[in-house]
Amino acid sequence: DGGITQSPKYLFRKEGQNVTLSCEQNLNHDAMYWYRQDPGQGLRLIYYSQIVNDFQKGDIAEGYSVSREKKESFPLTVTSAQKNPTAFYLCASRRIGLDSGELFFGEGSRLTVL
Amino acid sequence: QQPVQSPQAVILREGEDAVINCSSSKALYSVHWYRQKHGEAPVFLMILLKGGEQKGHEKISASFNEKKQQSSLYLTASQLSYSGTYFCGTLRTGANNLFFGTGTRLTVIP
Repeated sequence: DGGITQSPKYLFRKEGQNVTLSCEQNLNHDAMYWYRQDPGQGLRLIYYSQIVNDFQKGDIAEGYSVSREKKESFPLTVTSAQKNPTAFYLCASRRIGLDSGELFFGEGSRLTVL
Repeated sequence: QQPVQSPQAVILREGEDAVINCSSSKALYSVHWYRQKHGEAPVFLMILLKGGEQKGHEKISASFNEKKQQSSLYLTASQLSYSGTYFCGTLRTGANNLFFGTGTRLTVIP
């Protein structure tokens, strides 16, 4: 079945360490997104990509980096520059164009900084 | 650019109705509605497109007022399974990234 796979589901990190969250999709979607969710809050866009080797910053890109070397993969690196990285991270994808549709979400990665 | 949702929270008894509103200050191409259970990913409910018709699925329906850039989600005869946080996501004309509201926490009690 097609879908989005995020890993790891839970991750603990010490302050000052970089971590990379994986996101893979087999839906053949062009666009991929990373959102951050804090308790009781909505989803805030970190980065998004509409095509391989291209991506754009969202509202809260500082302290994060991404790459899009393959259509199906969009990993997110949380760097040590991110001051408050503890959060729930969601990866999503969707078709774009005239028949663009809904966002398909992965199950999320919960990052805790110790 | 984040849409504004209201109310922030609502508690219903089974069988009661609820309306969740979403408004934007920007011209919109479409509005998406999602429901999220605690600790899980959001699940898609429906999309309303500019110029499109009101959508509905069984007892959950939605409307999109293009002139006011507002959308409303209607839940009728609520069930326990309706509990969760509802998010609207807005897509501006010519854009490909959705902006989400802060959510409405809906709790249905027996």
